[in-house]
Amino acid sequence: DAGITQSPRHKVTETGTPVTLRCHQTENHRYMYWYRQDPGHGLRLIHYSYGVKDTDKGEVSDGYSVSRSKTEDFLLTLESATSSQTSVYFCAIRPTVGNEQYFGPGTRLTVT
Amino acid sequence: AQKVTQAQTEISVVEKEDVTLDCVYETRDTTYYLFWYKQPPSGELVFLIRRNSFDEQNEISGRYSWNFQKSTSSFNFTITASQVVDSAVYFCALSELDQTGANNLFFGTGTRLTVIP
Repeated sequence: DAGITQSPRHKVTETGTPVTLRCHQTENHRYMYWYRQDPGHGLRLIHYSYGVKDTDKGEVSDGYSVSRSKTEDFLLTLESATSSQTSVYFCAIRPTVGNEQYFGPGTRLTVT
Repeated sequence: AQKVTQAQTEISVVEKEDVTLDCVYETRDTTYYLFWYKQPPSGELVFLIRRNSFDEQNEISGRYSWNFQKSTSSFNFTITASQVVDSAVYFCALSELDQTGANNLFFGTGTRLTVIP
């Protein structure tokens, strides 16, 4: 158990509304990531963080922003949700030792 | 640019059969890491194995084995004597080193394995 929680676990929202997903870790890992999973695409990186206030874009960052004001929390914000952002969102952490990432349970987001 | 290809979208086998999941990767780096993850029907992502580019030794863990061949840029995964609990989507992934140390993962599109009792 990598001590990662995501909230909410499920959310339905309307097009045009802002949405924030939260990833919380209990073990003070430096690296945190947000991915989305869609059929036929596997997992694709949205944004990542390499420290407090240190973030960068991934492969599919358009329409998303992130913030990391504390080591334990990494927030993903959809400023104005669109139907194309309907997906399952996974947060991950990577311990400093080793290169594998460990994933949270996921958030299923539906934008209607 | 990095790329991971899992050409097998879906595989079905009968219980106790052996099955190999293929993974082919592309990278320009000489130092990189390869991974396999399992996603059972419950939806969580489970880390199975990590391999670095300097270690081509095959690895065996119980019924699971992995064959890493740099010459063919492949990192294949074999399940011996498959069981119903092996039914899942399996993802292969590649990580390259970067300046931040984040070493982001690039995933293949996954192979859905169904083991029929």
